[in-house]
Amino acid sequence: GAVVSQHPSWVICKSGTSVKIECRSLDFQATTMFWYRQFPKQSLMLMATSNEGSKATYEQGVEKDKFLINHASLTLSTLTVTSAHPEDSSFYICSALLLASYNEQFFGPGTRLTVL
Amino acid sequence: AQKITQTQPGMFVQEKEAVTLDCTYDTSDQSYGLFWYKQPSSGEMIFLIYQGSYDEQNATEGRYSLNFQKARKSANLVISASQLGDSAMYFCAMREGINTGNQFYFGTGTSLTVIP
Repeated sequence: GAVVSQHPSWVICKSGTSVKIECRSLDFQATTMFWYRQFPKQSLMLMATSNEGSKATYEQGVEKDKFLINHASLTLSTLTVTSAHPEDSSFYICSALLLASYNEQFFGPGTRLTVL
Repeated sequence: AQKITQTQPGMFVQEKEAVTLDCTYDTSDQSYGLFWYKQPSSGEMIFLIYQGSYDEQNATEGRYSLNFQKARKSANLVISASQLGDSAMYFCAMREGINTGNQFYFGTGTSLTVIP
């Protein structure tokens, strides 16, 4: 089946630093990837839609200058949390859209970010 | 209005018994897709089953089946012969329209606990 990886799986950083999270589709090409944020015991909140070769589309309320998304190739999208603060601590999950079968999203394992 | 509603925050089921997780949806589109995902404590989202709005038969995947009632706009997940490993969060999701890049809407999830 389709596999999506995320790196790192967890990261702890100091307030004010930037953190980059990578999302890779390992065995298929994904023109569209999605970035979600999930707080404990809550649902997934879509942050942005990342399209290869174009600017990401951000959901209302998500700061594009805070959460930089780059989809430079058909297998890689990156999310950079700039000048991270404790309130940015969360579980970040990416997904890649597989254009076949059900056109479902395949999810990465997630990245747990803790900002001290 | 909520696109996806899951009214059961938590459910318990005896091992080997069947359990139904409720999901209702709201859309005015004629074409849409309904998905169920499992999220164990590790955090990864695991695709379980898909139902297209034009599918006349209920989807089945092993022990998972989807009770699709289009007129009532419900897409309940039925897990038969529950196993301890089924304990997890379960999310219902919907993709509206025929554009494969359309975002998914997720419900708030149901926490399922299988009791030995």
